[in-house]
Amino acid sequence: DGGITQSPKYLFRKEGQNVTLSCEQNLNHDAMYWYRQDPGQGLRLIYYSQIVNDFQKGDIAEGYSVSREKKESFPLTVTSAQKNPTAFYLCASSIRQSEYEQYFGPGTRLTVT
Amino acid sequence: DAKTTQPPSMDCAEGRAANLPCNHSTISGNEYVYWYRQIHSQGPQYIIHGLKNNETNEMASLIITEDRKSSTLILPHATLRDTAVYYCIVRRINAGNNRKLIWGLGTSLAVNP
Repeated sequence: DGGITQSPKYLFRKEGQNVTLSCEQNLNHDAMYWYRQDPGQGLRLIYYSQIVNDFQKGDIAEGYSVSREKKESFPLTVTSAQKNPTAFYLCASSIRQSEYEQYFGPGTRLTVT
Repeated sequence: DAKTTQPPSMDCAEGRAANLPCNHSTISGNEYVYWYRQIHSQGPQYIIHGLKNNETNEMASLIITEDRKSSTLILPHATLRDTAVYYCIVRRINAGNNRKLIWGLGTSLAVNP
């Protein structure tokens, strides 16, 4: 089955630690995205990538980093510089970046204490 | 991009049609209307999109008014599994480098037995 996988579903970290969230897709999509969702709020874009070895900052990129070394993988690192890292993180992909039908993974709920 | 306005919550009886409204009074001619939904603690799911004609697929129907200032998503026979937050998004196709989807708070639909 084609789709997007995110792992793990739940992640717990101590404050001050960097943590990397995994996102893999086998849809052969060029574009990939990372969103953050806080309780009672809409999704906010962290980073997006149109093609391999290219990525752009979204609206709330501070404290996050990404890489796109392979078409199917777009890992997100939440660094210790992110002031409020506890959130629900969603990865998505689309055929092209101009295509608005985005396919989402199941999400990773990160809790930092 | 045009802003959208949706009621924060709605109820619907199981088996009945759910009609979810969205106002986008500042929509321009090259902007599409997209609908996504998000079941609790899952990633959003694309439902349907349209420009000016009514659209139907296996999940829902989208009715866009003639002046395009509002639209209605119709779930013809709502089931308990349709309980979710429904997002109406308006966005241009081929919008240059700024091609983000902008997510609001959506409508929380509760389908009751």
